[in-house]
Amino acid sequence: GAVVSQHPSWVICKSGTSVKIECRSLDFQATTMFWYRQFPKQSLMLMATSNEGSKATYEQGVEKDKFLINHASLTLSTLTVTSAHPEDSSFYICSAIEGYNEQFFGPGTRLTVL
Amino acid sequence: QKEVEQDPGPLSVPEGAIVSLNCTYSNSAFQYFMWYRQYSRKGPELLMYTYSSGNKEDGRFTAQVDKSSKYISLFIRDSQPSDSATYLCAMSARTGGSYIPTFGRGTSLIVHP
Repeated sequence: GAVVSQHPSWVICKSGTSVKIECRSLDFQATTMFWYRQFPKQSLMLMATSNEGSKATYEQGVEKDKFLINHASLTLSTLTVTSAHPEDSSFYICSAIEGYNEQFFGPGTRLTVL
Repeated sequence: QKEVEQDPGPLSVPEGAIVSLNCTYSNSAFQYFMWYRQYSRKGPELLMYTYSSGNKEDGRFTAQVDKSSKYISLFIRDSQPSDSATYLCAMSARTGGSYIPTFGRGTSLIVHP
């Protein structure tokens, strides 16, 4: 299957700082990428859908000014958590679609805000 | 009622058992059905992907879709301790120009030696 990478895999930051997470499709071009958030023992919560060259579509309840998404190319999307607070600590996972429907996930980024 | 219902478990079985994981859904527009496996602190891994009703087999895994009952299943034969993970079902319908999957909450599977 296709490979999606994320960087960093784990980040610890101080409250008030901003953190950028990168998501890359390594061997295919992804027209659409998704960003999810997952709390322990919970399912994936879709945050936003990102299409290359256009603004991301955010799910209801997700603050677009807090979670900045940039999909600059067909292989790279970034999520920036601005002014992070402890309640933003979570597991963030990106995914990318190849073709019509096969969705491949990155390994996830664990964010801890102190 | 949630669009996709999945029992969170945990489901505990002995090694070698046949495992049956299930999801029900309410949206008749769903066309694509997927099963993912997620190990702790890792991203989900696509296991099976089906479009139509019926069965699809891949090694020890069989995915079954019954659109008339809005019910999908994943069977694991000869289960191994390494199969211990959370299994997520997902399904999608065309929304505008794209397909955005809806996930079940996942079933935690424990296969003990």
